[in-house]
Amino acid sequence: AQTVTQSQPEMSVQEAETVTLSCTYDTSENNYYLFWYKQPPSRQMILVIRQEAYKQQNATENRFSVNFQKAAKSFSLKISDSQLGDTAMYFCAFMKEYGNKLVFGAGTILRVKS
Amino acid sequence: GAGVSQSPSNKVTEKGKDVELRCDPISGHTALYWYRQSLGQGLEFLIYFQGNSAPDKSGLPSDRFSAERTGGSVSTLTIQRTQQEDSAVYLCASSLVSVRGELFFGEGSRLTVL
Repeated sequence: AQTVTQSQPEMSVQEAETVTLSCTYDTSENNYYLFWYKQPPSRQMILVIRQEAYKQQNATENRFSVNFQKAAKSFSLKISDSQLGDTAMYFCAFMKEYGNKLVFGAGTILRVKS
Repeated sequence: GAGVSQSPSNKVTEKGKDVELRCDPISGHTALYWYRQSLGQGLEFLIYFQGNSAPDKSGLPSDRFSAERTGGSVSTLTIQRTQQEDSAVYLCASSLVSVRGELFFGEGSRLTVL
């Protein structure tokens, strides 16, 4: 079974600075998908960024980028120019290539301070 | 509606009572998921519906939990004889199968069992 580990329960960062959230996963699959989801205090989860394992290029979405290390089974999220609205719980998630469900990590609470 | 709608937002019940939680997915989304989020925990997969296929019930924690999806749209999650450990936020999500792993979540139903 796949597992996703987020070793940082909580992190904080000053506004405008850069922060990196860690995620590791365990799988025997060769092709799969990885995701970062954001859950603001309002509770509604939204997708931040998505990476396909067969793509070597790291995904980027505006201020959000990932560092995908397939051999190390590591998938970290970098948030540049942090904003107060980035304060949220961030979840790393895994999906098998032909799977139908996301496996989530326990989450990292990120607080952006002014 | 534009997004995934869940009701009720909050439900307080007494131990031993039955509860029903409703999810109205985004129109056109054929995949529907139920997840459970306990306080400070990640998301636990419960059940997955895809079109007319048999649902994936592998995440349901006990036979007190059941779910149905009528007409390929609205879904109801039923918990019978509720226990205190059932207290959690129950999240519903829907997606297009063609976009792997991009789930659109509702705001959740917070269940408290006294």
